[in-house]
Amino acid sequence: GAVVSQHPSRVICKSGTSVKIECRSLDFQATTMFWYRQFPKKSLMLMATSNEGSKATYEQGVEKDKFLINHASLTLSTLTVTSAHPEDSSFYICSARDSFTGMDTQYFGPGTRLTVL
Amino acid sequence: QKEVEQNSGPLSVPEGAIASLNCTYSDRVSQSFFWYRQYSGKSPELIMSIYSNGDKEDGRFTAQLNKASQYVSLLIRDSQPSDSATYLCAFRGGSNYKLTFGKGTLLTVNP
Repeated sequence: GAVVSQHPSRVICKSGTSVKIECRSLDFQATTMFWYRQFPKKSLMLMATSNEGSKATYEQGVEKDKFLINHASLTLSTLTVTSAHPEDSSFYICSARDSFTGMDTQYFGPGTRLTVL
Repeated sequence: QKEVEQNSGPLSVPEGAIASLNCTYSDRVSQSFFWYRQYSGKSPELIMSIYSNGDKEDGRFTAQLNKASQYVSLLIRDSQPSDSATYLCAFRGGSNYKLTFGKGTLLTVNP
């Protein structure tokens, strides 16, 4: 149980294009999902909290117009990196909290490695 | 500001030994504590969660929590080379379910 998937696992795009990353909770419902970014040999950095049916809450310093988050259902959240630039190249990881159990354990997806040329 | 302190390591132990990983946190109202393992190039995977003072055991892993000292640890018994990874501790304080992560301790288990 508690499986989270991400798609795509790896994406290479040209500078200026937009990239959408999907995060799905496969066997549980998640009213809350989280998006993280991790640069090589660095710690996880929380970008935003995605709330089903409402606006995402962004961490300080994260541009909400650049990183668009949509949490349209209890099992799906998407992160769109708009007008991507090489400095956006990173490992993007989502996590989801099982809403049914009420516990606060976060289960992570396998991550999406984004390379912007 | 909520903070988590971990020794970045690297911590090196021989195969079969006990690996001890430690973490301190600054938020006195923290409610939930977690240990995650992250292999290089992969996402974190949950090892243990602990909510009450004392020890919690799961197989070769034991988490220890001392809220008075704001300290949580993870013991790995009979360490295996496959345990070589970065171990992240995290805690949740407050009502928004956000986790605060430490920077992680790199563990190397030598055959």
